[in-house]
Amino acid sequence: KNQVEQSPQSLIILEGKNCTLQCNYTVSPFSNLRWYKQDTGRGPVSLTIMTFSENTKSNGRYTATLDADTKQSSLHITASQLSDSASYICVVREKGFQKLVFGTGTRLLVSP
Amino acid sequence: DAGVIQSPRHEVTEMGQEVTLRCKPISGHDYLFWYRQTMMRGLELLIYFNNNVPIDDSGMPEDRFSAKMPNASFSTLKIQPSEPRDSAVYFCASSLALDRVDYSSYNEQFFGPGTRLTVL
Repeated sequence: KNQVEQSPQSLIILEGKNCTLQCNYTVSPFSNLRWYKQDTGRGPVSLTIMTFSENTKSNGRYTATLDADTKQSSLHITASQLSDSASYICVVREKGFQKLVFGTGTRLLVSP
Repeated sequence: DAGVIQSPRHEVTEMGQEVTLRCKPISGHDYLFWYRQTMMRGLELLIYFNNNVPIDDSGMPEDRFSAKMPNASFSTLKIQPSEPRDSAVYFCASSLALDRVDYSSYNEQFFGPGTRLTVL
């Protein structure tokens, strides 16, 4: 069964600190993996997309990594800001299908 | 473009009543998705359409749920009769077809703001 698991479930960090969120998946065959950010009361918004051949991709203070062999991804946030407080959802797409497999997300709270 | 538009943003109703959620996808998008999000289960796909045709409704929980897409710019999700366990946030999302997008937006689904449904 295709699954996406994220850890930790929730995280509290001080403003300015770094953090890393983890995503493990069993989706096969793999097409791509996205990290979405979901602010409270809003819909998810894509941060990055990783395909099979990519190892690292950055979007400002967000850096995503992908290890397709171990089926793991991480999202690293550098110099966190209060506005980074949100849920971060890992989403994997199975090759050839439109349907996505969603993780349950990591709730990040950046404290002043 | 204003993005995906959903209405209402909040809906409170009593058990047994009919509920209709509405969605306007981004103009030109070929796919439309309906999701439900709860704390316990996260985001779950209910149904999706391609060019207004329902492709996969295996996520629709039961016959009380129905969805239509009468044209490329409008879709509805109806619950009749509603039950307290239907309380959740319902999202609509749209995307372009695979062979029409460039790499940077490859199959990205754009989500609406959601409708928070509370069934008492």
